Amino acid sequence: ETGVTQTPRHLVMGMTNKKSLKCEQHLGHNAMYWYKQSAKKPLELMFVYNFKEQTENNSVPSRFSPECPNSSHLFLHLHTLQPEDSALYLCASSPGQGADQPQHFGDGTRLSIL
Amino acid sequence: GENVEQHPSTLSVQEGDSAVIKCTYSDSASNYFPWYKQELGKRPQLIIDIRSNVGEKKDQRIAVTLNKTAKHFSLHITETQPEDSAVYFCAASIQYNKLIFGAGTRLAVHP
Repeated sequence: ETGVTQTPRHLVMGMTNKKSLKCEQHLGHNAMYWYKQSAKKPLELMFVYNFKEQTENNSVPSRFSPECPNSSHLFLHLHTLQPEDSALYLCASSPGQGADQPQHFGDGTRLSIL
Repeated sequence: GENVEQHPSTLSVQEGDSAVIKCTYSDSASNYFPWYKQELGKRPQLIIDIRSNVGEKKDQRIAVTLNKTAKHFSLHITETQPEDSAVYFCAASIQYNKLIFGAGTRLAVHP
């Protein structure tokens, strides 16, 4: 299944680096999401975009900066991250932004902060 | 705040047995309850979902039941197979645009 594609799959960066994660969906969906998945913790919602407008920022630190240029693409810009930010970052999309819309996930980017 | 509790955290069964995973949610307004399966190193995949106007839904070996009064829902897998081994997540809708997830259940099916 290639409906939601994330790049890179793995990323190692130092705390002072700047990098970006990319997500692209080919499902014709209008809503996109960023989640953080840490070991033995529930998936944490970070951001929600609907028709490329941000509709939710779940108290995420400003060192994470999302960008949604259109309904098919979503970026997460990373700057001055901390070791506790090491996790799997998952992108998802859904037909609309309603909470009852099925969400489809990408394979994620495994991020390691040195 | 809203939360979803999921039990057990690990479950080990013999091939052919049934497996049951239970979730409890706190927001009485929740009306959508999906279940996701995540194999090692892979994406979470939606395997079944249920809406609040339905008490039970079945898809081949997988079924989900919902008790809105008690605010809990369960995933039932019958005739388990080794390929069912994975981490299973429940979720519940909150507010108008969010899902809140349980912590996951690691299911191991032994041949």
